[in-house]
Formats: sequence, C-alpha cells, structure tokens
Amino acid sequence: QQQVKQSPQSLIVQKGGISIINCAYENTAFDYFPWYQQFPGKGPALLIAIRPDVSEKKEGRFTISFNKSAKQFSLHIMDSQPGDSATYFCAARAIIQGAQKLVFGQGTRLTINP
Amino acid sequence: SQTIHQWPATLVQPVGSPLSLECTVEGTSNPNLYWYRQAAGRGLQLLFYSVGIGQISSEVPQNLSASRPQDRQFILSSKKLLLSDSGFYLCAWSRGRDFYTDTQYFGPGTRLTVL
Repeated sequence: QQQVKQSPQSLIVQKGGISIINCAYENTAFDYFPWYQQFPGKGPALLIAIRPDVSEKKEGRFTISFNKSAKQFSLHIMDSQPGDSATYFCAARAIIQGAQKLVFGQGTRLTINP
Repeated sequence: SQTIHQWPATLVQPVGSPLSLECTVEGTSNPNLYWYRQAAGRGLQLLFYSVGIGQISSEVPQNLSASRPQDRQFILSSKKLLLSDSGFYLCAWSRGRDFYTDTQYFGPGTRLTVL
C-alpha cells in the first residue's frame, strides 16, 4: 500500500517530441506528489509538484496530470530536448508524526535523441 | 535562500572501517532532515529522518546510525563498513511546518565505495 509504481523504466524520445512518464499509487493518505529530475552523479532536484485537489499543473514545458479517482499521475515533457535526458522520479508524500515521508517510484531513465 | 551541503563528495573505504558523513543546511531553522541511500540505477531508500535535535527515526535496520547534534547538522555513521554499504548517500531537508506545498530538497550526495 506504500508503493508508488512508475513506468516505463526507460524511455527514448526524439528531440521535439513529448515524453510521458506514469505513476500510480494506492495509499489515499498521500497528499502531495512531487517529481524529481536527477542527472548522473547529482542529487535529485525538485522539478514540479501537485496537490490532489488539482487535475493539472503546468510549468514551462513540464506538465503534471493528476487523476485522483484512478490514483494515477503523469509527467509530460513537451518539446523534449537533449538537456532533458536524465532520470525522473515520481514521489508521493504522507505526513507521519510531524515528518514528511516520501515514497518514490523506481525511476525512469529518459534519453532524448538529437 | 536555503542551501544544503554534504561532505565528502566521494569516499573510498575498506571493509570494517568506520564511516562519518556530514550534512548541513543553511538559510532555515528547525528543518526536518533525512538520509537516503541510492544503489546504482535504483530508486531512493529512506534510512533515517529527524524532526529535531537529538531525535532520530530509523526506517531500515542496518549497519548504519544517524545523529543530529545541532539544529541544521545531520550525521550518518557506521562503526564497521560492509561491502553492501556502498552507494550514493543523499541528505535532504524539508521545512517541518507549513506542509501544504512543502516537500524535500536534496543535497549533492556522497558516493561511498567500500572495498
């Protein structure tokens, strides 16, 4: 019930195309859903995040779509660029005993071909 | 603005040696602090978290321990390293209040190789 399932594990997209990464969860106690971008050898960086009372959030070329009834959310990268090549992690947050607990998906390795 | 530091950036240690990794946060007070481990090509595993000085919660029983001697300092330790302790160690912080849109922010990480 604490799992967040992320797919696909790897994704190759042509430059200018749309990259789509999907995540699903079971625990209805999750109340915030961030996405992180990680380059090799670096720490994950917060990319975009959404609350479950919002169906979509857009920041530049990055959009989160959220389906509360289906317990699914996805990241869309429009006009994908070679610089977007990285590993992407979705996460789901629960507040437990005054601390945030993030449950992460297993990650998607995205490659944008020039 | 807030900044999180980790050191060392890389570390190569023999099996059985001790370990001390340090994390500090600047620009905020009373943060929640977290230690994660990331195996090569894998996801993030939460090891420890702390909501205040001297308070440590352990997620996974293992060969490691954590301490928080100061408000913005978090230390990961081991008395005797195992080969399986190799990995990328990440420290993270969150504000600890005003949870509405807060999440965790990660440091640059420490690459640990145990030989």
